[in-house]
Amino acid sequence: QAVLTQPSSLSASPGASASLTCTLRSDIYVGTNRIYWYQQKPGSPPQFLLRYKSDSDKHQGSGVPSRFSGSKDASTNAGILLISGLQSEDEADYYCMIWHSDAWVFGGGTKLTVL
Amino acid sequence: QVQLVQSGAAVKEPGASVKVSCRASGYSLSDSYMHWVRQAPGQGPEWMGWINPHSGDTNYAQRFQDRVTMTRDTSINTAYMELSRLRSGDTAVYYCAREGLWFGENWGQGTLVTVSS
Repeated sequence: QAVLTQPSSLSASPGASASLTCTLRSDIYVGTNRIYWYQQKPGSPPQFLLRYKSDSDKHQGSGVPSRFSGSKDASTNAGILLISGLQSEDEADYYCMIWHSDAWVFGGGTKLTVL
Repeated sequence: QVQLVQSGAAVKEPGASVKVSCRASGYSLSDSYMHWVRQAPGQGPEWMGWINPHSGDTNYAQRFQDRVTMTRDTSINTAYMELSRLRSGDTAVYYCAREGLWFGENWGQGTLVTVSS
């Protein structure tokens, strides 16, 4: 089972909200992990969006709009990237990442389509 | 402002080695860890390891332990990643990524390495 599992795709309408999930393997507890989120557009490197562990331990990337936010769902052992007020420019691939077993591990990514 | 400029695309035969450079500007290379990340076509990113440019210490991902070497030349503010014994599965875009306040605060533009006979 993969360390981090993300749905491969998600579609949402402009102006709506999108909730992107990153489920940790069952033996890795989401509560103790900082979850990093990156956005990647075609032909460009990933760009840091935010890091979230708790409401008191979080960091927003420079210039990243506040409509991008992080949270967790302990019941599903998942980190969540919430994007509100979707815009066409938000169409991209989104990757989560954690530090696990002395290595940085990325999820497989979610392709977000805004239509 | 901080910039990371990588070397150009490379085509290599199976079994060969490739060395990718990452020239930093806007800050001193010694001040921040540098990570290397690769991304195969249509796949997610994969972390390869980091180098502490100040000390030269390295930490490689287990799957690359025996094939990757990360070095630096602080006199020219440049980090390097060399991957040996290349195979077709190593075809990917390779990125350097600076860890400033967080992992990937800055990224290079990427270097496409194609392994083909």
